[in-house]
Amino acid sequence: NAGVMQNPRHLVRRRGQEARLRCSPMKGHSHVYWYRQLPEEGLKFMVYLQKENIIDESGMPKERFSAEFPKEGPSILRIQQVVRGDSAAYFCASSPNQNTEAFFGQGTRLTVV
Amino acid sequence: GQSLEQPSEVTAVEGAIVQINCTYQTSGFYGLSWYQQHDGGAPTFLSYNGLDGLEETGRFSSFLSRSDSYGYLLLQELQMKDSASYFCAVLDTGRRALTFGSGTRLQVQP
Repeated sequence: NAGVMQNPRHLVRRRGQEARLRCSPMKGHSHVYWYRQLPEEGLKFMVYLQKENIIDESGMPKERFSAEFPKEGPSILRIQQVVRGDSAAYFCASSPNQNTEAFFGQGTRLTVV
Repeated sequence: GQSLEQPSEVTAVEGAIVQINCTYQTSGFYGLSWYQQHDGGAPTFLSYNGLDGLEETGRFSSFLSRSDSYGYLLLQELQMKDSASYFCAVLDTGRRALTFGSGTRLQVQP
């Protein structure tokens, strides 16, 4: 059973470009969470999704950021018109139900130049 | 909202015991979790306390006191590989997703 798969592991974008981060949850997991982590800091909640539904997006900036978890395929975190402040590690986690153990992917490290 | 406080850094020697404390403020929560993260790596689940008391898993134990809004992670027989950041996290009844503390960086010295 493969773990949570995120790709790409590293992503470099110029200011103003779009960044697409992908997350395939563990098999059988229908709950997906996205977190952002700056160096030397904790994980900041962004968005919680179940298949085809956004359950809680209270941690996600209102502009330029969007997330989806379609019926088929991975969850996508999309950042439009990236700025330098978007540079961070973005982690995806999944769980089979709403419990306390979430399994994390290896993260995507976004660098905006 | 929620807030969790934990020390930013702890240093200990191999073979020793170290306790990482976590105090929290939340309007309602299911329990307290602990995660470990090595530099450049993914957070990995260590333990969960849904009820007051001590949970033991090998060299790691975790404790929760709901009345004191306090918990801790206890690491025994420290090894060099335990050098990492440790995060406490709460599953808030309002948010339904984990809220993490800012992390404690543990450095194990020979």
